[in-house]
Amino acid sequence: GNSVTQMEGPVTLSEEAFLTINCTYTATGYPSLFWYVQYPGEGLQLLLKATKADDKGSNKGFEATYRKETTSFHLEKGSVQVSDSAVYFCAHGVAGGYNKLIFGAGTRLAVHP
Amino acid sequence: EAQVTQNPRYLITVTGKKLTVTCSQNMNHEYMSWYRQDPGLGLRQIYYSMNVEVTDKGDVPEGYKVSRKEKRNFPLILESPSPNQTSLYFCASSLNGPNTEAFFGQGTRLTVV
Repeated sequence: GNSVTQMEGPVTLSEEAFLTINCTYTATGYPSLFWYVQYPGEGLQLLLKATKADDKGSNKGFEATYRKETTSFHLEKGSVQVSDSAVYFCAHGVAGGYNKLIFGAGTRLAVHP
Repeated sequence: EAQVTQNPRYLITVTGKKLTVTCSQNMNHEYMSWYRQDPGLGLRQIYYSMNVEVTDKGDVPEGYKVSRKEKRNFPLILESPSPNQTSLYFCASSLNGPNTEAFFGQGTRLTVV
């Protein structure tokens, strides 16, 4: 079936540390892939996306590459800031006539000074 | 400013008392969805709409109703709320389909006692 699995949190890092949040998916066909971020008390905001294999999405220093062979879309950032503290959701758009986004459970990131 | 607006942001109600959560978008999007967010489960789609007067069930539609009488509005109705509907609710709209990049509202935190 269609699903998204992302690493459990919370992830706790010091400022300027390297961040990786793993995400793998199962899907019919080749769906678009997304990372959304949810800051405390707010809705989800699109962080980045990739629509086909080997595409790299990037925004605000975050990057993720669509890896078809490993069905993965890991989120990375070279140097995190306190302001990056949030919950991060990996998602894919279900292809093949389905009309929804499939979300992972979310990973909470806490960055300390 | 492009946005999806939900109201109310917070709601505490009693079992069985009908309520409506409103959602409005100003981007002229045809596609709108409702999701609920529960810890450890990510977001799950409740209902979606492909256009005015066109709605369909998502993954967890039981206990909910929706309507789409105007393109910009997509209210979520709980006819007889129960405690298991205590959750964080998000409305979303998208330009190219419910399985594509979506814009989310700020969320409505509902508690049913």
